[in-house]
Amino acid sequence: EVQLVESGGGLVQAGGSLRLSCAASGFTFSKYWMHWVRQAPGEGLVWVARINSDGRSSTYLDSVRGRFTISRDNAKNTLHLQVNSLRAEDSAVYYCARETTMTVSYFMDVWGKGTTVTVSS
Amino acid sequence: IQLTQSPSTLSASVGDRVTITCRASQSMSDWLAWYQQQPGKAPKLLIYRASTLESGVPSRFSGSGSGTDFTLTISSLQPDDSATYYCQHYNGFPLTFGGGTKVEIK
Repeated sequence: EVQLVESGGGLVQAGGSLRLSCAASGFTFSKYWMHWVRQAPGEGLVWVARINSDGRSSTYLDSVRGRFTISRDNAKNTLHLQVNSLRAEDSAVYYCARETTMTVSYFMDVWGKGTTVTVSS
Repeated sequence: IQLTQSPSTLSASVGDRVTITCRASQSMSDWLAWYQQQPGKAPKLLIYRASTLESGVPSRFSGSGSGTDFTLTISSLQPDDSATYYCQHYNGFPLTFGGGTKVEIK
């Protein structure tokens, strides 16, 4: 079964840091580009970051660039998001998602259940 | 690219035909996906390339449109379709989602 399981969320003070992880199983993780998408309480979906299959290239939402770092460990089938200098507006459920293999198609065909980050001020 | 969905909420009866609209701030060919998010769950891909049904998705769901105007249609609403629906463009980065349409069953 194809599965993504996030972990690492929690309650943190403004200015603090967390490292979110996403464990992949049921597919060849190293072949897929991966994303993080977040959703603030009661709000819509917001794309955060994307990383290519070998981990050498990444793209970020402007508001998180320089504070968040997406990375991956293909040997451990794990995706990470290091979140630093957290702000109240970063409070959200963070989903990891797999990008389709279709050429030049940046939509997500598999999603995890999410991990919750709460930033207290 | 900004995506505007309408309506933000709709209430319909089982068996009704339901249409959700997604309008883009600039033309993006057919690089559009639709997702369903049931309460407390992760999003689920329904449609990509504006009109291609993802494998395993019921045929009552369909998508259409190109350029700036897109629609998601549920031909015969079922109780399990109670959810929020989001469109997403993939015409470049940053990827953006519409604000969502919450579908309620009367």
